[in-house]
Amino acid sequence: DTEVTQTPKHLVMGMTNKKSLKCEQHMGHRAMYWYKQKAKKPPELMFVYSYEKLSINESVPSRFSPECPNSSLLNLHLHALQPEDSALYLCASSVPGTSHEQFFGPGTRLTVL
Amino acid sequence: AQKVTQAQTEISVVEKEDVTLDCVYETRDTTYYLFWYKQPPSGELVFLIRRNSFDEQNEISGRYSWNFQKSTSSFNFTITASQVVDSAVYFCALSEDAGYSTLTFGKGTMLLVSP
Repeated sequence: DTEVTQTPKHLVMGMTNKKSLKCEQHMGHRAMYWYKQKAKKPPELMFVYSYEKLSINESVPSRFSPECPNSSLLNLHLHALQPEDSALYLCASSVPGTSHEQFFGPGTRLTVL
Repeated sequence: AQKVTQAQTEISVVEKEDVTLDCVYETRDTTYYLFWYKQPPSGELVFLIRRNSFDEQNEISGRYSWNFQKSTSSFNFTITASQVVDSAVYFCALSEDAGYSTLTFGKGTMLLVSP
């Protein structure tokens, strides 16, 4: 199984809502990532978890809160987002280490009204 | 600091034409890794290839081939006999052999293949 799944596929939320994005992989990867991608731009790294511990936070605003409950799951909790946070949110996983390719999920397309 | 440049923003070809996507990188490390990803309109990034800095052998996989040249810091990608299904944004990416695996992406090249 070389698949990374993400739910939901699409999400529309208001600025006062609280929602969560979910990512799951069963490849035994112990590194998981959240990226944000705006239209016509490359993905921007937000967070990296390695062995279920947060190892990189790329100065992401606190209205984004990641969680890694176990080695297969990665969540991104959203609260009080702004319209400029509308984007495609991609999850990825890999064997930990710089040499290994990351496998990406299909993404959640988020619209903040 | 590492950097990846994909100078071609958009390329349009007609089916069956060959097309080369350029990628130039900058890094101070002697050990690094280069990747190509494909992003079709559906949004998912699909891994295509990884190459480490010590392996300059060119690679061919079906209609895809990659030319890695350290002398010019380039890792170019050629699609032979392009097909409509090749239409996508292609990203070249670099990671250095230090710390955690963080990818530096180029800005991407959008390839449009028309019938």
